Amino acid sequence: DTGVSQNPRHKITKRGQNVTFRCDPISEHNRLYWYRQTLGQGPEFLTYFQNEAQLEKSRLLSDRFSAERPKGSFSTLEIQRTEQGDSAMYLCASSLPGQANTGELFFGEGSRLTVL
Amino acid sequence: AQSVAQPEDQVNVAEGNPLTVKCTYSVSGNPYLFWYVQYPNRGLQFLLKYITGDNLVKGSYGFEAEFNKSQTSFHLKKPSALVSDSALYFCAVRDDSSYKLIFGSGTRLLVRP
Repeated sequence: DTGVSQNPRHKITKRGQNVTFRCDPISEHNRLYWYRQTLGQGPEFLTYFQNEAQLEKSRLLSDRFSAERPKGSFSTLEIQRTEQGDSAMYLCASSLPGQANTGELFFGEGSRLTVL
Repeated sequence: AQSVAQPEDQVNVAEGNPLTVKCTYSVSGNPYLFWYVQYPNRGLQFLLKYITGDNLVKGSYGFEAEFNKSQTSFHLKKPSALVSDSALYFCAVRDDSSYKLIFGSGTRLLVRP
């Protein structure tokens, strides 16, 4: 399978714990996005990487959230000191370079976080 | 600021009938518009996009969308609905000052046999 891969698919944690999600994009895609989706809502933009550079970050991304893409391939999203309000589906997407491809995203199946 | 509105939470249509899922947008620059579909327990899938050119764009699975600049709308359409089209549909927009897509809240399409 050469699609976008996300792990783990589901994480249950207690409030105050740290969690980390991993995303492996499609290999030739240099752009990588993180979104968050809660029930009944559309995906909300969190952050965007082009290669290893984090070029855009939402104000939704508080100081408890950090994302990295150290070698321009896979990416991690860490949430420190989780809160119940962090419970959501975390979506990763990737896309090809070029203006024409901007917005044509390939999404993974998501990592569902449940904070108890 | 960019925004997208999908005024209908759900659209119901009989199989074989035409369908329309509505979307209106607001951007400060040139709009780039997209439709995505989400089937149960599956990731979001790109359907089609409007960047420039013809106002009627064609996409996957027989869907098309009509860009209307004066009404700031980008409605999704299909001439003949299939039961398998039942899913959650999201409209999204970006402008040329940003890489991020802003998604609407989604419209559930239910096609009854």
